[in-house]
Amino acid sequence: KAGVTQTPRYLIKTRGQQVTLSCSPISGHRSVSWYQQTPGQGLQFLFEYFSETQRNKGNFPGRFSGRQFSNSRSEMNVSTLELGDSALYLCASSLDRQGSGEKLFFGSGTQLSVL
Amino acid sequence: QQPVQSPQAVILREGEDAVINCSSSKALYSVHWYRQKHGEAPVFLMILLKGGEQKGHEKISASFNEKKQQSSLYLTASQLSYSGTYFCGTEGGNQGGKLIFGQGTELSVKP
Repeated sequence: KAGVTQTPRYLIKTRGQQVTLSCSPISGHRSVSWYQQTPGQGLQFLFEYFSETQRNKGNFPGRFSGRQFSNSRSEMNVSTLELGDSALYLCASSLDRQGSGEKLFFGSGTQLSVL
Repeated sequence: QQPVQSPQAVILREGEDAVINCSSSKALYSVHWYRQKHGEAPVFLMILLKGGEQKGHEKISASFNEKKQQSSLYLTASQLSYSGTYFCGTEGGNQGGKLIFGQGTELSVKP
């Protein structure tokens, strides 16, 4: 069974630009969650999508948005990039929604650098 | 809301034991443990559910004190492969079903 696939693996952007990251979950998984990882900050929750609906959102500005398609694939968009958005963005999928005791399967992440 | 992990970092020799703690100020439904090696994705280790159920790795042990909202991960007879950053994640309380992770504990096992 293929794991969680994130593309692209690396991205370099400049301030003010926007970026779209993609995540393909494990086949059959209906929940996709996004996390931002920076050194010393751990994994910061961005949002979770389940059956094409955003269930939860973390404490990030509106520049961060996402969506989920009918095949459970998800995209995350960041507009008007700032230097502080440089981070590893991790996507995780699970069979059921968060809060149900299901384990997460993480992708390898997209490393975003904002110059 | 973010759970607090301790210690932040620990260095061990092969064969030594370690305990990583995770505590929350809110009532919890479950605690997750993941390990991330440098440059890799976090990998699931264990889930501890309210009521005592556990799901996870046979060689990993952990505890969950529901009353104190605390969990501990026990690493015994450590091996070089145990090196990495350990994250606890918590569900429950007023988190609305979100899995919120701690800041991580960096574990280094030396020969």
